[in-house]
Amino acid sequence: QKEVEQDPGPLSVPEGAIVSLNCTYSNSAFQYFMWYRQYSRKGPELLMYTYSSGNKEDGRFTAQVDKSSKYISLFIRDSQPSDSATYLCAFYAGGTSYGKLTFGQGTILTVHP
Amino acid sequence: DAGITQSPRHKVTETGTPVTLRCHQTENHRYMYWYRQDPGHGLRLIHYSYGVKDTDKGEVSDGYSVSRSKTEDFLLTLESATSSQTSVYFCATSGVGNTEAFFGQGTRLTVV
Repeated sequence: QKEVEQDPGPLSVPEGAIVSLNCTYSNSAFQYFMWYRQYSRKGPELLMYTYSSGNKEDGRFTAQVDKSSKYISLFIRDSQPSDSATYLCAFYAGGTSYGKLTFGQGTILTVHP
Repeated sequence: DAGITQSPRHKVTETGTPVTLRCHQTENHRYMYWYRQDPGHGLRLIHYSYGVKDTDKGEVSDGYSVSRSKTEDFLLTLESATSSQTSVYFCATSGVGNTEAFFGQGTRLTVV
């Protein structure tokens, strides 16, 4: 069983749609939950991170963590063509992990005008 | 943008030849990483460094070695390149106590 499972998509939606991206994980040691966004031919950039179960909002983006179910989600409201990118969930165990991240496979999102 | 520079950005090499990729950072971050990105696999950790001359293996380290003689530079070497090492390689850095990793622009390596 992989430590992290993420639906690779691709996901294609019209502008203005609500997008839901999801990951499941199996490692109970993960303490930090992150979403990275990667534009074509670029390196990933941190979009959001959370530490605890619950929701965290940042503009049109909401990160949701359910530790009991080992499930995290990223919701994008009023999606825009500029949101077209690959979204990667990432997990960090903290402690003596030296900042090492475990990534999901990435979901390719295309938002059509 | 975080000051992380990878070189070269693109490289085509022949099977069996040695290849070295370079990562240079100006952030003074203690931790540095090499990841590879392949379709269907996301980013997988190859090697990482937790200080000058302190390195350790990641998830997919076979066929790769690394060196870090200065805080700023982290080198990834493919001793004898194989076609399975065709990939996009990303260097990343992180500061102590930080959860965010900063990535370079990537190196696209093709082994023919």
